[in-house]
Amino acid sequence: GQQVMQIPQYQHVQEGEDFTTYCNSSTTLSNIQWYKQRPGGHPVFLIQLVKSGEVKKQKRLTFQFGEAKKNSSLHITATQTTDVGTYFCASTRNAGNNRKLIWGLGTSLAVNP
Amino acid sequence: DSGVTQTPKHLITATGQRVTLRCSPRSGDLSVYWYQQSLDQGLQFLIQYYNGEERAKGNILERFSAQQFPDLHSELNLSSLELGDSALYFCASSVGGQSSEAFFGQGTRLTVV
Repeated sequence: GQQVMQIPQYQHVQEGEDFTTYCNSSTTLSNIQWYKQRPGGHPVFLIQLVKSGEVKKQKRLTFQFGEAKKNSSLHITATQTTDVGTYFCASTRNAGNNRKLIWGLGTSLAVNP
Repeated sequence: DSGVTQTPKHLITATGQRVTLRCSPRSGDLSVYWYQQSLDQGLQFLIQYYNGEERAKGNILERFSAQQFPDLHSELNLSSLELGDSALYFCASSVGGQSSEAFFGQGTRLTVV
């Protein structure tokens, strides 16, 4: 089953409003990656966080990794129609010799102009 | 353009058939990943190859198999196809392992009728 839970599943906002998606895990995460997938497109890497409490910014996007490394958030300030898409978090999970990236189900963002 | 090439873009086939999806990674990337994306299951990791060797396995069915060739291109073989196999299949590549930024291809949309 899913190791990382993403909420909300969907979000509609008015252009200019802020948006936040959360990624939660019951176990400690070694890292967290965030991807964006535009409608009809493919996932595009946004950022990776590895340190406890890490905060990184990309223009209007702010990414945080929790102190306990069990949760992460992506916050978009003053959304624009170009922000429309599905935002995924993913984390590397070790299972013996099998190391794989576990993905959240994504948060779909719709922005009304 | 991510630099990852997938062919074909679309594929329509009948139940019980077998198909092969092809992926050329970015130049210099040693890892290739295969993902299945359907509406109800999100992005599911199938399998990873690194420099020709299988590195990690996800939720890949026994009817599916993959390989990475010496020139680093990869093929995903899907056999005894069922209606439920209809999905978007993405290939991604990265320089290193699963902690590296992954670059996704445009995907192959498979429709099983």
